Amino acid sequence: KQEVTQIPAALSVPEGENLVLNCSFTDSAIYNLQWFRQDPGKGLTSLLLIQSSQREQTSGRLNASLDKSSGRSTLYIAASQPGDSATYLCAGRGAGNMLTFGGGTRLMVKP
Amino acid sequence: SAVISQKPSRDICQRGTSLTIQCQVDSQVTMMFWYRQQPGQSLTLIATANQGSEATYESGFVIDKFPISRPNLTFSTLTVSNMSPEDSSIYLCSVEQGGGTEAFFGQGTRLTVV
Repeated sequence: KQEVTQIPAALSVPEGENLVLNCSFTDSAIYNLQWFRQDPGKGLTSLLLIQSSQREQTSGRLNASLDKSSGRSTLYIAASQPGDSATYLCAGRGAGNMLTFGGGTRLMVKP
Repeated sequence: SAVISQKPSRDICQRGTSLTIQCQVDSQVTMMFWYRQQPGQSLTLIATANQGSEATYESGFVIDKFPISRPNLTFSTLTVSNMSPEDSSIYLCSVEQGGGTEAFFGQGTRLTVV
C-alpha cells in the first residue's frame, strides 16, 4: 500500500528566499506524482504533474523533481513571495490508478 | 484543464440534518471522485461515481451515510446524511483528464455541523 509523507509539516521563511518542499513515497511503482496548492478552507489547485518517465517539470518559479529509485519528489520555489503562503500537497498515483496524498506542508512567507 | 464548480462553498448545519453538495464539470468525464478532508488532515477518497451505475465506496464509507448521484457525464451530487459534528470537514469533488493521469479539484465545500 502506497504511503506518502511530506516533511516539514510547516515552514516559515522570509520573502525572497528559495525553498524546497519534500515528498517521499514508499512504492516506487508510481505512475505519476502531482503537486497541489491549497489555500485555507478551499479546494486544490494543480501546480505540476510529473510522469514516471520524467525527472522534472517547471512552471514559472516552481520546479518539481521526481526520483523513483529513492522514492522522493521535491518542489522548489524560487524567490518566494507572501502570495505563495498556502498548504502544498503532493499525491502519488500508483496501483489501481489510486491517488495517495501526503499530509501537506503549510508554508508561510513573511514580508 | 477541467473547470469544476462546486456548491455550496460552505455551510453550517444542525446535527441530524442532511446536506447535498453539487459538482458541475465543464466537460464530459467518465468518473467523478468525492473526497473528504477532516480538519488538519489530508484528503481521503470517499467514493468514485460513474454515470449509469452505483458509486463505488472506499473502506469506511457507506452509501446510507454518503449517497451519491451521477445523472449525466458532467454532474454529480454527494449527500452527507444524518450529520454529526464529526462530519465537519471540507468535501471536495475531483475529475481526471489526460487519460486519467491528472487530477483536478473543485473549490471545496466547507461543512460545519453544530
